[in-house]
Amino acid sequence: QSALTQPRSVSGSPGQSVTISCTGSKSDIGDYHYVSWYQQHPGKAPKLLLYDIDKRPSGIPDRFSGSRSGNTASLTISRLQDEDEADYFCCSYSGPYVFGSGTKVTVL
Amino acid sequence: EGQLEESGGGLVQPGGSLRLSCVGSEFTFSSYWIHWVRQAPGKGLQWVANIKKDGTEEDYADSVKGRFTISRDNAKNSVYLQLNSLRAEDTAIYYCARALSVCNSGACYYYYQYMEVWGKGTTVTVSS
Repeated sequence: QSALTQPRSVSGSPGQSVTISCTGSKSDIGDYHYVSWYQQHPGKAPKLLLYDIDKRPSGIPDRFSGSRSGNTASLTISRLQDEDEADYFCCSYSGPYVFGSGTKVTVL
Repeated sequence: EGQLEESGGGLVQPGGSLRLSCVGSEFTFSSYWIHWVRQAPGKGLQWVANIKKDGTEEDYADSVKGRFTISRDNAKNSVYLQLNSLRAEDTAIYYCARALSVCNSGACYYYYQYMEVWGKGTTVTVSS
């Protein structure tokens, strides 16, 4: 199964919002709500940010939100902060687990 | 929340074998599915395998099926990943991760589809 498609990079200034897209197909993102997002800082393990498309685990601030339209899921980071600079990966589970290609978020 | 710690990585020649270990602490290990996820140098994440909380079900990525075997010993709070017939493309950091649990008013629901608690990873390098 091919990796989900994410933009290579996005950037924004502190306080702004950025949105990362994650495009799959009907057989993964389109038909299944098992979509999650992970944040990874350099040299660190990934961290679960969102699950079931738009649910936040305990401790994740509401600046992180998720949505889905058709075969594309999206992660929006509102009120961007310096510590949000990291790599972000989407993931879809439809039997096999498929991760996105990853997006580097730069805080200008 | 709990912790996971991987070990067993190292340098191995193509065709060789390694056994990775993942030890959990500070949570009820036997209640959780455990995943292995890897990350090649400078690359993205790739799911490798997972195992059900009681060890009765396991699943693998196509790229490792028939070469890797996942197992667990709940008495030792441990999950293992046996890596056989290793190839250069298996070079990566290997993370173990615990499935997500959402608890409310003392009742917990376990989402095996998601990876909530991660270890720091162990590095596997396949090279001659």
